[in-house]
Amino acid sequence: QSVLTQPPSASGTPGQRVSISCFGSSSNIEKNSVNWYQQLPGTAPKLLIYSLNQRPSGVPDRFSGSKSGAAASLAISGLQSEDEADYYCSTWDDSLNAWVFGGGTKLTVL
Amino acid sequence: QVQLVQSGAEVKKPGAAVTVSCKTSGYTFNSYYIHWVRQAPGHGPEWMGWINPNSGATHYVQKFKGRIAMTRDTSISTVYMEVSDMRPVDTAIYYCAREGDSSGSDAFHVWGQGTLVTVSS
Repeated sequence: QSVLTQPPSASGTPGQRVSISCFGSSSNIEKNSVNWYQQLPGTAPKLLIYSLNQRPSGVPDRFSGSKSGAAASLAISGLQSEDEADYYCSTWDDSLNAWVFGGGTKLTVL
Repeated sequence: QVQLVQSGAEVKKPGAAVTVSCKTSGYTFNSYYIHWVRQAPGHGPEWMGWINPNSGATHYVQKFKGRIAMTRDTSISTVYMEVSDMRPVDTAIYYCAREGDSSGSDAFHVWGQGTLVTVSS
């Protein structure tokens, strides 16, 4: 059971906006910044969003992050077929003294 | 460019140990922590710990303490992780990842390609 809770699946059609949630607690998301990773099949995770809403070079601005209390969210606008992947949230947990990840959300582009 | 290149796949019997290497290039080795993350088939990533390549200091997640050891060789910009007393539940892809970038971010900005470790009798 993951410390951070994500919906197992999400879907949308090309051009749509989708949002993926990530629920944590007062010892992790509420106190610390959240990072999001994208994982295409058979590849290593890739950093998508860091420090809540910063994008590494090369990540399109269709991707954005937000947080409210102990919950974070990843939004993808203008959905494209190449966005089909697994998405993971991650943050530091002060109680566990460890980085924690969500269980992942599989995004399907219909 | 910044690269982390890991050693190849391993098959181990229960009770054995495995060492995975992570050779870094394209940046100053001592400047960024290296983390190890594993991912069992069909599961999300699981963080295992970090090593400070400059000092050699390490921090391991509680569940792995006593069973993993992270080391580094500064002369070849390479970090290693040894996992002892392997069990079938340890079957996973093991990744090394570099923490941070020039902005001071603590996210895992660069990942190795992963090393599949299979534990089976």
